[in-house]
Amino acid sequence: DAGITQSPRHKVTETGTPVTLRCHQTENHRYMYWYRQDPGHGLRLIHYSYGVKDTDKGEVSDGYSVSRSKTEDFLLTLESATSSQTSVYFCAISESKLSHSYYGYTFGSGTRLTVV
Amino acid sequence: AQRVTQPEKLLSVFKGAPVELKCNYSYSGSPELFWYVQYSRQRLQLLLRHISRESIKGFTADLNKGETSFHLKKPFAQEEDSAMYYCALKVDSNYQLIWGAGTKLIIKP
Repeated sequence: DAGITQSPRHKVTETGTPVTLRCHQTENHRYMYWYRQDPGHGLRLIHYSYGVKDTDKGEVSDGYSVSRSKTEDFLLTLESATSSQTSVYFCAISESKLSHSYYGYTFGSGTRLTVV
Repeated sequence: AQRVTQPEKLLSVFKGAPVELKCNYSYSGSPELFWYVQYSRQRLQLLLRHISRESIKGFTADLNKGETSFHLKKPFAQEEDSAMYYCALKVDSNYQLIWGAGTKLIIKP
């Protein structure tokens, strides 16, 4: 068990509907990240969190919001899903700047989201 | 601008041949670079970090500040090396990583 789980694993939703993806960690790590993975783009940061209720935008944050009310949970919400948000979404965690240098991020298994 | 470039989307080599996956970066500060790997149906995982100068699964990567490169190398490829490889740059200002677009490595039998 890698200590980080994402739910759901797969979701199909209709354009215009709100969608919430969940990232749950059992490692008590301070930093949490949401990425999207698309062919030809690699991973792009959507939002990240550096503590409870402390979040900031990444490079592709438009159309997304996040919340972190507890250390263990980081929620990503697509406010009104569009077809361009069809992607694979990954959550990652990191304990600290120093540990990241030595141990890197720990990633979740991903959520495959299809917006039709 | 901070940027990571992996020029090859796809690299296909025969088993036993040498492999080199290219990574170039653009960053004005002191870089920390990583290679991550994603095997089929598995989660992304850290493969190498430049600060530890280690060899993992036969792979090595040397940071060349003059050429701003961090190429991943393996002298003899194995079929189980087939995967998606990502180069990533950690910037000093926060805890984010800047990612390359990835290279899909296929090892032919």
